[in-house]
Amino acid sequence: DTGVSQNPRHKITKRGQNVTFRCDPISEHNRLYWYRQTLGQGPEFLTYFQNEAQLEKSRLLSDRFSAERPKGSFSTLEIQRTEQGDSAMYLCASSTWTGGNTGELFFGEGSRLTVL
Amino acid sequence: GEDVEQSLFLSVREGDSSVINCTYTDSSSTYLYWYKQEPGAGLQLLTYIFSNMDMKQDQRLTVLLNKKDKHLSLRIADTQTGDSAIYFCAENAVYTDKLIFGTGTRLQVFP
Repeated sequence: DTGVSQNPRHKITKRGQNVTFRCDPISEHNRLYWYRQTLGQGPEFLTYFQNEAQLEKSRLLSDRFSAERPKGSFSTLEIQRTEQGDSAMYLCASSTWTGGNTGELFFGEGSRLTVL
Repeated sequence: GEDVEQSLFLSVREGDSSVINCTYTDSSSTYLYWYKQEPGAGLQLLTYIFSNMDMKQDQRLTVLLNKKDKHLSLRIADTQTGDSAIYFCAENAVYTDKLIFGTGTRLQVFP
């Protein structure tokens, strides 16, 4: 078990460009979460999937953000027309949800986005 | 609404106990968690407590839960320099199955 893997680890882009992050969860986990963390803050929920279904999206997730999990395995988070305010660490987490479990999330190391 | 608050910074001497505090607002939370984040690393679950418990002890860690006051604390006994990190408390939002995190407490341990 290699844990949750995120790529790229760091992305520097110019304002207005599109970026895509990939997350590979722990293989048997059916839930996958995206969070955003800015300096000095805790992780803020963006969206989550159960298998391939996107069950909830935060109001933080503007129309420029889109997330997919096409086969219920890896997920991508795309940000279109990036803005400087999008600069943050994007965290992916996965879990096994079977109802009544502890809800523990296993986090990747994050993808840091810097928008110039 | 959902809100989790923590003090921002705590400094302790090596060998002393550390107590990190957290207040939360969602009284329907089933579990409350403590996560640790070291520089350049992802968040790692330290411990959790079920909402019908008052206390949970796990080696050097003691979690206290006061449901009436919606107050959670994490005590680290015999704090070591390796405990220096940011500590986040989190609650699960029962009706939406997501974790809500606090702002984090940076623990600095000095010799």
